[in-house]
Amino acid sequence: DTAVSQTPKYLVTQMGNDKSIKCEQNLGHDTMYWYKQDSKKFLKIMFSYNNKELIINETVPNRFSPKSPDKAHLNLHINSLELGDSAVYFCASSRSSRAVAGVYEQYFGPGTRLTVT
Amino acid sequence: GDSVTQMEGPVTLSEEAFLTINCTYTATGYPSLFWYVQYPGEGLQLLLKATKADDKGSNKGFEATYRKETTSFHLEKGSVQVSDSAVYFCALSERSGGYQKVTFGIGTKLQVIP
Repeated sequence: DTAVSQTPKYLVTQMGNDKSIKCEQNLGHDTMYWYKQDSKKFLKIMFSYNNKELIINETVPNRFSPKSPDKAHLNLHINSLELGDSAVYFCASSRSSRAVAGVYEQYFGPGTRLTVT
Repeated sequence: GDSVTQMEGPVTLSEEAFLTINCTYTATGYPSLFWYVQYPGEGLQLLLKATKADDKGSNKGFEATYRKETTSFHLEKGSVQVSDSAVYFCALSERSGGYQKVTFGIGTKLQVIP
């Protein structure tokens, strides 16, 4: 069973369109993340949810809106897509980020390659 | 704030060469330290970790020792293989503002040639 899954794996769309990427984890984790990876492999955190509560919201255009219907799912909706949104988007999960102690490693999905033309 | 500095790469080595990828960090407390690996076309996966000073993490022939005095967590492997070609990310996690926060380095691309 895949621990962290994302759909779709590839997404090609035109500027101005609205698209969504879905993420699901079956690890029983409380915290989920969205990262953006550019062509130079630089990894930038976008959002983090802990048990459906938004806890990290980095400087990201408000065209990006995360939604967490339950703690196993974190979807990313993007409005009015722009050329600069082209990147690979990774979902990840971990044990609760509110935990006081313990090791805090993240489990990543396979990524969604978004191409905006 | 916390930061992780690692060599930018790419690093190109011949098969069976010795590998070192440097990683230094800045943190206010006592972070946990990690190395993640990203193979082509895949997501990141944990390679090894260390949670306190002088701990050595190891996996698949890779090692890294948590050095508090030099705030470093350098990744080493004695003999690399072509299959080790990937991007390697150093990371730390530390409690901040009521939750654990993770900081990644920029990633170092390793290319191993036969």
